[in-house]
Amino acid sequence: DGGITQSPKYLFRKEGQNVTLSCEQNLNHDAMYWYRQDPGQGLRLIYYSQIVNDFQKGDIAEGYSVSREKKESFPLTVTSAQKNPTAFYLCASKGQVNTGELFFGEGSRLTVL
Amino acid sequence: GENVEQHPSTLSVQEGDSAVIKCTYSDSASNYFPWYKQELGKGPQLIIDIRSNVGEKKDQRIAVTLNKTAKHFSLHITETQPEDSAVYFCAARTQGAQKLVFGQGTRLTINP
Repeated sequence: DGGITQSPKYLFRKEGQNVTLSCEQNLNHDAMYWYRQDPGQGLRLIYYSQIVNDFQKGDIAEGYSVSREKKESFPLTVTSAQKNPTAFYLCASKGQVNTGELFFGEGSRLTVL
Repeated sequence: GENVEQHPSTLSVQEGDSAVIKCTYSDSASNYFPWYKQELGKGPQLIIDIRSNVGEKKDQRIAVTLNKTAKHFSLHITETQPEDSAVYFCAARTQGAQKLVFGQGTRLTINP
């Protein structure tokens, strides 16, 4: 089935460690996005990529990094510079430029101890 | 940039009654307004969307209305059912932009 796969679903890390969240899609979509979800704050955009080897900062990019070496993959690294990394992270993709719909993965919950 | 405000943050209705969730946006150039439903432990899914050239769109029990002058749009769910219980997000996108700005979310609970 076509869709977006995020892994791991749950992740625990010690403070000061970098962690990488995986996002893979087989929808042949050009654009991919990373959102952070916190209670009462909706979905906030971290980074997005409209094409391979290109990406832009979203509204809360500090402490995060991404890469887009392949069309189907858009991993997110949460670095030790991120002050409040505990959150639910959602990856999404979008097809044609004029198509509005985002397709989301099931998310990764990161807890920093 | 665009800012989207969503109300209420929580909403509880009796099964069979209607539910209304409201959003306001700040950028008059925004022209696309989707609504997403997020069930527990899942990612959000698009349930309905509307573009700025129409005022209302309906899909079975779900409808969205848009008031461009007032810069607000609303989600209406009629004849609510237990499976409607979820978190709902509104969003807005400015013409030419490639990113959606989301509201804060509304947790809807349908009481049997």
